Amino acid sequence: AQRVTQPEKLLSVFKGAPVELKCNYSYSGSPELFWYVQYSRQRLQLLLRHISRESIKGFTADLNKGETSFHLKKPFAQEEDSAMYYCALSRPVGALLRQINAGNNRKLIWGLGTSLAVNP
Amino acid sequence: DGGITQSPKYLFRKEGQNVTLSCEQNLNHDAMYWYRQDPGQGLRLIYYSQIVNDFQKGDIAEGYSVSREKKESFPLTVTSAQKNPTAFYLCASRPTLRGYTGELFFGEGSRLTVL
Repeated sequence: AQRVTQPEKLLSVFKGAPVELKCNYSYSGSPELFWYVQYSRQRLQLLLRHISRESIKGFTADLNKGETSFHLKKPFAQEEDSAMYYCALSRPVGALLRQINAGNNRKLIWGLGTSLAVNP
Repeated sequence: DGGITQSPKYLFRKEGQNVTLSCEQNLNHDAMYWYRQDPGQGLRLIYYSQIVNDFQKGDIAEGYSVSREKKESFPLTVTSAQKNPTAFYLCASRPTLRGYTGELFFGEGSRLTVL
């Protein structure tokens, strides 16, 4: 079964320390993985997607197919990074290639989230 | 200002009453979703709709109902049959373009409390 696991419910670090939020997945196909972030009193929003290989707000995430992981990393945490972070996997739910290629019938499988607290 | 608007932000309901949460988007997105967010349980999919006049049950649809009469609107009704309705509800949308890989755009959420 497809699954996304975030083993840490809560992660607490000091400002300036490196931070790594873990995400492991189980999926038999080629995964498309995302990190979403929810800051206090703000809406849930996309932080990173693995296909774009970008760095956003100093965060990076590398897909490791051998370890089935997509850990989120930042070398120097800031107080404003304190938030709830969700790892998610996108998979097609339709059997028809036409639907898959059209971007239809995709489903996101979510991890339970990790609450990051960056202390001064 | 484009985006997804959920209303009300806060809602109180007595047991046995149905309540409808509104979700409107002006992003011209085809697909819309309703999630329930509970502490420690992540996001759980209630219903989703890929196109107007069509919707599918998610993982926890029991006790909920939806409609999709307009592209912009996807209201969620929490019925009295929902055994544990107190939660934070999130609406989301996305386009269904060719090759699109699935970023969702979220509303600010509605917090429902059953008294």
